[in-house]
Amino acid sequence: AQKITQTQPGMFVQEKEAVTLDCTYDTSDQSYGLFWYKQPSSGEMIFLIYQGSYDEQNATEGRYSLNFQKARKSANLVISASQLGDSAMYFCAMRERDSGGYQKVTFGTGTKLQVIP
Amino acid sequence: NAGVMQNPRHLVRRRGQEARLRCSPMKGHSHVYWYRQLPEEGLKFMVYLQKENIIDESGMPKERFSAEFPKEGPSILRIQQVVRGDSAAYFCASSPPMSGHTEAFFGQGTRLTVV
Repeated sequence: AQKITQTQPGMFVQEKEAVTLDCTYDTSDQSYGLFWYKQPSSGEMIFLIYQGSYDEQNATEGRYSLNFQKARKSANLVISASQLGDSAMYFCAMRERDSGGYQKVTFGTGTKLQVIP
Repeated sequence: NAGVMQNPRHLVRRRGQEARLRCSPMKGHSHVYWYRQLPEEGLKFMVYLQKENIIDESGMPKERFSAEFPKEGPSILRIQQVVRGDSAAYFCASSPPMSGHTEAFFGQGTRLTVV
């Protein structure tokens, strides 16, 4: 089974509109963390937002918020007021302890977001 | 406070040559992770190292690939006898030596092209 599933290979959004990027995860660990990273065409990985499994409130960072639904095992990224500079690949990732007790971060396959002027 | 530094940014090797990729973690970080990103794909875990120890290498190909993180100096990912299929972006991430770290900081990656 996939640890991290991003079902949207590509998304379009109108500038200034909000957009939701989907992410579901699978883990048996009780303590885990969920991340979103942005990868622009230049290639670097930019950390956006983090949600811990025990955090009661959804994480927010500026225009980014993480819609964390623990029972559904989903961690969707919401970008409000999209800007042209938001056009990039977006990766959802999960940190958990593997069977050996070591922390490992697993990435989804990514969603390519294109913001239309 | 420099971030994670990877060099070189771009590396071209002929088939059969060796590739050495370097990663200097953030100051105070003793955990290093290496990931590979094939074109149009996400990042795939390769190996997790602490100083002088390989903790988890379950994502490393069994042959030609090796990694180290010595007591002094950067972490090195070494690919021997490169083939075209090794062409990819290789990312290094580091994190501090405590549980519950909230994020891994990534370097800018090394883009390996095998010709």
